[in-house]
Amino acid sequence: QSALTQPASVSGSPGQSITISCTGTSSDVGGYNYVSWYQQHPGKAPKLMIGEVSNRPSGVPDRFSGSKSGNTASLTISGLQAEDEADYYCTSYTSSGGRLFGGGTKLTVL
Amino acid sequence: EVQLVQSGAEVKKPGESLKISCEGSGYSFTSYWIAWVRQMPGKGLEWMGIFYPGNSNTRYSPSFQGQVTISADKSISTAYLQWSSLKASDTAMYYCARSTYVGSAFDIWGQGTMVTVSS
Repeated sequence: QSALTQPASVSGSPGQSITISCTGTSSDVGGYNYVSWYQQHPGKAPKLMIGEVSNRPSGVPDRFSGSKSGNTASLTISGLQAEDEADYYCTSYTSSGGRLFGGGTKLTVL
Repeated sequence: EVQLVQSGAEVKKPGESLKISCEGSGYSFTSYWIAWVRQMPGKGLEWMGIFYPGNSNTRYSPSFQGQVTISADKSISTAYLQWSSLKASDTAMYYCARSTYVGSAFDIWGQGTMVTVSS
């Protein structure tokens, strides 16, 4: 199984909006509403930002939102802040009963 | 407070065995799945497998099937990841993470256990 496809890097200025894509197949992203997004700062454990495509856990700023269309899921961060600079990973449940992670996207806040 | 606390860093030689742990607290341990995730130095996250302590249902990534064993001791709310013969390529940070359903989001993560395998 290949990893889900994410852009290696994205960047934006404070206050701007950015979107990170996560592309899979009909056997994973497109087949289930079990896509989630994680933020990881250097040296830290990942943190859940969006679950089940678009559910934002308590405590996560509403600047973070998720969506899905076909085999591609997206994470959008609006009103970009310096502390949003981190690595972001998507993951999806798969038809084989397992999980796939994306390769990760490095977000740089200019 | 709901948390997963992992065992400390390990330094091992190739060929040695190892078992690292992940203790859950603040919730019903047998009602949630526990997954293990590998992160090699400077690389991304890789899903290794998942275990349901309630009935010992286990699923492995094809990449890790036969290479590791995932288990748990319900009596002490602790999940394990073990190797019978370590390789240098097993050097990585290992995280445990909790999910409500086999496919749902990982809402709680352990702090990670660094495993270094070197002769």
